[in-house]
Amino acid sequence: NAGVTQTPKFRILKIGQSMTLQCTQDMNHNYMYWYRQDPGMGLKLIYYSVGAGITDKGEVPNGYNVSRSTTEDFPLRLELAAPSQTSVYFCASRWGTFSGNTIYFGEGSWLTVV
Amino acid sequence: QKEVEQNSGPLSVPEGAIASLNCTYSDRGSQSFFWYRQYSGKSPELIMFIYSNGDKEDGRFTAQLNKASQYVSLLIRDSQPSDSATYLCAVERNTGTASKLTFGTGTRLQVTL
Repeated sequence: NAGVTQTPKFRILKIGQSMTLQCTQDMNHNYMYWYRQDPGMGLKLIYYSVGAGITDKGEVPNGYNVSRSTTEDFPLRLELAAPSQTSVYFCASRWGTFSGNTIYFGEGSWLTVV
Repeated sequence: QKEVEQNSGPLSVPEGAIASLNCTYSDRGSQSFFWYRQYSGKSPELIMFIYSNGDKEDGRFTAQLNKASQYVSLLIRDSQPSDSATYLCAVERNTGTASKLTFGTGTRLQVTL
């Protein structure tokens, strides 16, 4: 039972480079999310998706793009990496949004931009 | 004003004591409230959720919600060293098919021997 799988776990990028963080879930969840967590801070929503083909911006979308071509996959693209994007990135999924519906998190991707 | 506010701590309690973690929120339309535990270097894991005023108990954990005061708390009875972690409060408002889930910055709990 894999749950939510993120790759890579660690990555160092140079300023201006681009990369994609991969996220896959095997629970047939409709809702998927990308959060970032800076040191000592809570999670901030970057983008979310309510189903294949549907995405929307969260609190901090600038500098990122997403796509949702399948139910399982929700990749996060960083264009022109900046030091401010150094953070831990968590992908998450849930089946629905009724009260108490659990969000499952991936193990995180540690990104450093130098 | 932050949407979800928590004292960053650390909150230090001796083993066996009750730990009390607090959270206030600003959106009166919030409907669901969650407590997550996050160990250093790990992803958050759900401890409890609550959506009705009052108390909800699950083992050593009790969540308390007071919507009039916009306040939610988590009590941990018989605190254990393994409870040492950061506890994140999350507040959710559903608007049709969209869901706004906002996290606080977390309270770091240290359970001392």
